[in-house]
Amino acid sequence: QLMLTQSPSASASLGASVKLTCTLSSGHSSYAIAWHRQQPEKGPRYLMKLNNDGSHSKGDGIPDRFSGSSSGAERYLTISSLQSEDEADYYCQTWGTGIVVFGGGTKLTVL
Amino acid sequence: QVQLVQSGAEVKKPGTSVKVSCKPSGYTFIGYYMNWVRQAPGQGLEWMGWINPNSGDTNYAQKFQGRVTMTRDTSISTAYMELSRLKSDDTAVYYCARDGGGGSFFDSWGQGTLVTVSS
Repeated sequence: QLMLTQSPSASASLGASVKLTCTLSSGHSSYAIAWHRQQPEKGPRYLMKLNNDGSHSKGDGIPDRFSGSSSGAERYLTISSLQSEDEADYYCQTWGTGIVVFGGGTKLTVL
Repeated sequence: QVQLVQSGAEVKKPGTSVKVSCKPSGYTFIGYYMNWVRQAPGQGLEWMGWINPNSGDTNYAQKFQGRVTMTRDTSISTAYMELSRLKSDDTAVYYCARDGGGGSFFDSWGQGTLVTVSS
């Protein structure tokens, strides 16, 4: 069954970097995913599509501080030079034949 | 730029139906699938299904089959999501989201429509 697993929470200091992880279920390690950010009281915003080879394409206006990488079934979102506005929920999303799946989300706290 | 503008908040009674609209701009409406996603209070994102605005073909998540209907009006470039037999746990913010690749990733989101189901 196609599933995505994310840690419920993460934290990092202002100006530092953080790496969030999204893990694909067994048998689905070749799948691409997308990352979305949801700031408090706002709707989601597309950040990037991330392929299994680590190549990624970002949405319009997404700064260079955001990057993606892959290793096996793991997909990563790295945010550098953390800003207060990065405090948000981060969701990964993937898709298969006739189905779309979201991870449970990671709540990022900027200290 | 791409924008998806949704209809306003709704309050509905249990057992009734709600219909939410989504009007995109900044691109050719029939060129991209449109998805619907909901988010219950304090919860994560839940995919409901998609519609191909060109053909009208739909694909619904199993959980919502029989209760959800996604349609479109190409003359006014608007997509709709109707959910019937509403229950209190259908209270959520409903989002439309443009599909970047025909049943794949979502590259643009609407602002959301709060649907409250309460007697």
